[in-house]
Amino acid sequence: GNSVTQMEGPVTLSEEAFLTINCTYTATGYPSLFWYVQYPGEGLQLLLKATKADDKGSNKGFEATYRKETTSFHLEKGSVQVSDSAVYFCALWGDTGRRALTFGSGTRLQVQP
Amino acid sequence: NAGVTQTPKFQVLKTGQSMTLQCAQDMNHEYMSWYRQDPGMGLRLIHYSVGAGITDQGEVPNGYNVSRSTTEDFPLRLLSAAPSQTSVYFCASSSLAGYGYTFGSGTRLTVV
Repeated sequence: GNSVTQMEGPVTLSEEAFLTINCTYTATGYPSLFWYVQYPGEGLQLLLKATKADDKGSNKGFEATYRKETTSFHLEKGSVQVSDSAVYFCALWGDTGRRALTFGSGTRLQVQP
Repeated sequence: NAGVTQTPKFQVLKTGQSMTLQCAQDMNHEYMSWYRQDPGMGLRLIHYSVGAGITDQGEVPNGYNVSRSTTEDFPLRLLSAAPSQTSVYFCASSSLAGYGYTFGSGTRLTVV
């Protein structure tokens, strides 16, 4: 079946540092890939997505590139802010199997001033 | 512009009680799902639906029941609450397969 693996957290960075959160997936065919963000006490918001190999999703300074050859969708940001502190979830929607999103376990990011 | 509405926001149940978590969306989305979120475990799929009258089980369906009689509503029923069902529950919807979900704000359920 489909699965998503994310790096363990928490990730603690100083403001303006470079961020990478690793995400790899297992799925047959060509899934669509997503990053969601959850701020404290809130629901999940779609951050960015990519629907085919080599696509780059971007939003609010965050980027992720769909790498079919390494089955990865790593999240990056060049300069994090305190307001980026949240939990980040990688997810996929497979083109086979359950017609729903499969999520990774989430990575908590803490940005210190 | 309501999006996905979940009620109640908080609920405390006694072991063995039953209840229904409500989920409604006003975007005419075909795809709807229920997830539970537990610390360190991400979001796990309970049940999902691809349209009115069509539902299917996710990863953790035991103890939960769903129906989809209309496009707008997708209630989740707890048949006999257990402490292991203490969690935060999220409902989500999408217009197209692979398009990405819109999430509700969640229901925090405690079973004592």
